[in-house]
Amino acid sequence: DTGVSQNPRHKITKRGQNVTFRCDPISEHNRLYWYRQTLGQGPEFLTYFQNEAQLEKSRLLSDRFSAERPKGSFSTLEIQRTEQGDSAMYLCASSPGGGSYEQYFGPGTRLTVT
Amino acid sequence: QKEVEQNSGPLSVPEGAIASLNCTYSDRGSQSFFWYRQYSGKSPELIMFIYSNGDKEDGRFTAQLNKASQYVSLLIRDSQPSDSATYLCAVNVGYSTLTFGKGTMLLVSP
Repeated sequence: DTGVSQNPRHKITKRGQNVTFRCDPISEHNRLYWYRQTLGQGPEFLTYFQNEAQLEKSRLLSDRFSAERPKGSFSTLEIQRTEQGDSAMYLCASSPGGGSYEQYFGPGTRLTVT
Repeated sequence: QKEVEQNSGPLSVPEGAIASLNCTYSDRGSQSFFWYRQYSGKSPELIMFIYSNGDKEDGRFTAQLNKASQYVSLLIRDSQPSDSATYLCAVNVGYSTLTFGKGTMLLVSP
């Protein structure tokens, strides 16, 4: 396994701009999760896919956030009209399913909104 | 509201000692329990998971689960300075999303 990969690793953007992050899960992992983490906090759930189906989305997630996983492989997370409060580490995790519940995280994308 | 509670620390132990990290959770329906290690500026790394009451050992790490008390712990034997990190406890139900605690910072002094 090559592990979960995320791109870009760092993103600096100006308030009001749109940004898109990509996550490539471990191959054959059919479950993919997005989390957000700010300093001093544990990761906070954003959304979850099983194959291409988005099964769960956090109630705290603004409608400026959208995610997709069109072919059940990689996923993208888009934030529209970024705000300074969106500055955080965005983490992607994948899980194999089939009775295994462990989630393995990628390196994350650190977003800074100026 | 599912909650996972951890002492923020820092927990300081000398090299070679046993570090004991604790976690409580509020949702009695929680089925799976995980410990992640997170170095500063890095992403969480899964180090232990446990699904059944009792102990589970892997190398220097032992996870302990007591569902009746809604308590899970992580023991690190022969602590090394490289173990210095934040340890995150997480729980979930089935394939659902993880609920994390805020983490406990562990400092191992040489």
